[in-house]
Amino acid sequence: GENVEQHPSTLSVQEGDSAVIKCTYSDSASNYFPWYKQELGKGPQLIIDIRSNVGEKKDQRIAVTLNKTAKHFSLHITETQPEDSAVYFCAASKWLDGNTDKLIFGTGTRLQVFP
Amino acid sequence: DAGVTQSPTHLIKTRGQQVTLRCSPKSGHDTVSWYQQALGQGPQFIFQYYEEEERQRGNFPDRFSGHQFPNYSSELNVNALLLGDSALYLCASSLVAGETDTQYFGPGTRLTVL
Repeated sequence: GENVEQHPSTLSVQEGDSAVIKCTYSDSASNYFPWYKQELGKGPQLIIDIRSNVGEKKDQRIAVTLNKTAKHFSLHITETQPEDSAVYFCAASKWLDGNTDKLIFGTGTRLQVFP
Repeated sequence: DAGVTQSPTHLIKTRGQQVTLRCSPKSGHDTVSWYQQALGQGPQFIFQYYEEEERQRGNFPDRFSGHQFPNYSSELNVNALLLGDSALYLCASSLVAGETDTQYFGPGTRLTVL
């Protein structure tokens, strides 16, 4: 069945360091890969997404890379700040003919940034 | 521009009872998806509504049902509640137009079943 694996489950970094979270998906038809940040007591917030027609996308301190051949995608956060501390989820879905497909989520990574 | 809203914020029920959760999509969105997030896990897809019909369904029993209204808002109903139904229930909205299926989540409804 469709599955997304996410590693690591926890990640602790010093403020200013970089953080990398990796995901692997099983369905080769997946073509849309969003990343969500979830703070305690809140719903997931979209922080960046990438589609299968590009290999990398950046937005200020956040970047996502995609390797379709290996079915891997990664989130990179540079110059981490304490406010980056949260649980991060990767997800995968298929967009076909105008239909919004269900998101298959990874198990989450708890990122802690220490001052 | 209001984002996705959900009500109530918290809910406590006992086993066997029934519950209704509500969601209003982001302005301009026409599709609503519901997810269940157990503590410490990623969200799991329950079902999706578009044009007032259930278009996709995940691996959830028939005790979980839903509805979408003409104004695109949606309800999630759960009958015969079990202890295992305790979770954060998330609503996400999106727009079936163009080349995007970005889903935006609401804050969720925390359901506790005693």
